[in-house]
Amino acid sequence: QSMLTQPPSTSGTPGQRVTISCSGSSSNIGSNVVNWYQQLPGTAPKRLINSNDQRPSGVPARFSGSKSGTSASLAISGLQSEDEADYHCAAWDDSLNTWVFGGGTQLTVL
Amino acid sequence: QVQLVESGGGLVKSGGSLRLSCAASGFTFSDFYMSWIRQAPGKGLEWISFITSSGTYTKYADSVRARFTISRDNAKNSLYLQIYSLRAEDTAVYYCAREAGDLGFDFWGQGTPVTVSS
Repeated sequence: QSMLTQPPSTSGTPGQRVTISCSGSSSNIGSNVVNWYQQLPGTAPKRLINSNDQRPSGVPARFSGSKSGTSASLAISGLQSEDEADYHCAAWDDSLNTWVFGGGTQLTVL
Repeated sequence: QVQLVESGGGLVKSGGSLRLSCAASGFTFSDFYMSWIRQAPGKGLEWISFITSSGTYTKYADSVRARFTISRDNAKNSLYLQIYSLRAEDTAVYYCAREAGDLGFDFWGQGTPVTVSS
């Protein structure tokens, strides 16, 4: 059972805006930054958002992150077919002194 | 460019052992913490262990403590994961990843699959 909670799946049509939530607790998201990873089918994860809302070089501006309290969200605007992937959130947990991940959200572009 | 290449995975019987390796290049390996993260078939990512840049401190997830040992050889730019007493639930793709503190896991290897048979 994952320490961070994400919806198992979501979907959208091209051009639409979708959001993916990530819920945690005071010991992880409530105390530390959240990072998001994109995993295209059959490939390794790739960092998408770091430090709650920062996009690493090369990540399109269509992707944005936010955090409030013990929850975080990833938003994708102007959805494209190549965005079809699994999205994972992660944060450091101060009680466990380990990294914790969400269960991942599978995004389908209809 | 930064590259991480895992090796050592395969098919192993329950109760057996395995040693995974991760060869790093394109950066100063000894400057970074490193982690192993695994993904069981159809499941999410599970962090299992990290090691500090010098190798003096390690940490494990409860699910693998006492059966897994992480180590590194900075002279060889290599990270290792020794796995003992393999169980069916250890079947997964194992990734090594570079840690960048609060910036998360900024580079990942392609993964090496481990399958445990009964």
